[in-house]
Amino acid sequence: QVQLQESGPGLVKPSQTLSLTCTVSGDSINNGPYYWSWIRQPAGKGLEWIGRIYSSGSTNYSPSLKSRVTISVDTSKNQFSLKLTSVTASDTAVYFCARGAAATWWFDPWGQGTLVTVSS
Amino acid sequence: QSALTQPASVSGSPGQSITISCTGTSSDVGSYNYVSWYQQHPGRVPKLIIYDVSNRPSGVSNRFSGSKSGNTASLTISGLQAEDEADYYCGSYTSSSTVEGVFGGGTKLTVL
Repeated sequence: QVQLQESGPGLVKPSQTLSLTCTVSGDSINNGPYYWSWIRQPAGKGLEWIGRIYSSGSTNYSPSLKSRVTISVDTSKNQFSLKLTSVTASDTAVYFCARGAAATWWFDPWGQGTLVTVSS
Repeated sequence: QSALTQPASVSGSPGQSITISCTGTSSDVGSYNYVSWYQQHPGRVPKLIIYDVSNRPSGVSNRFSGSKSGNTASLTISGLQAEDEADYYCGSYTSSSTVEGVFGGGTKLTVL
């Protein structure tokens, strides 16, 4: 079955860029009508959708983060990545990558999540 | 983008049924059958339990069911079990500004 795994630094300094990668295993990122999303969850709070990318490279971003977010895909490595610029303490959260289906709105499976702390 | 509105908490006794509401607008829940529900135990990954308003993924108990009326979607859990104690989130496609998804604030279910 498809599995996702996030990787990247757990600590980022304020004003710097947060960079995470999600590695997909068990199937090709090119297969099926799927898109690949990033979702985050601050401690003790709810889920926030960040954005998504299709294997073609087409992207959609949350309007609230659009000016700071870039999601990219590397189909040769079966990976997609997140970059969030000019981070502040409010960007501290567990970041999840997840698969979604085109023409609908659901997320499954999810990666295990990775905690990113923004602190000097 | 405003989140979908869910009650902060609900509770029920083992064996009972409970319903969690998820209220949106005509730009999301009211216009699309693209509502999903997730169960999240503390420290764990969210698990998809309902998609497209009322469909259950393979392996999800039939004690979980979803429905929608107007701008409000609902998750019903019947025959409550201790293991159902968790946070529950709804999500929906929205066309309010650009293509995006929106989640509810989450509901803490306590099994008494």
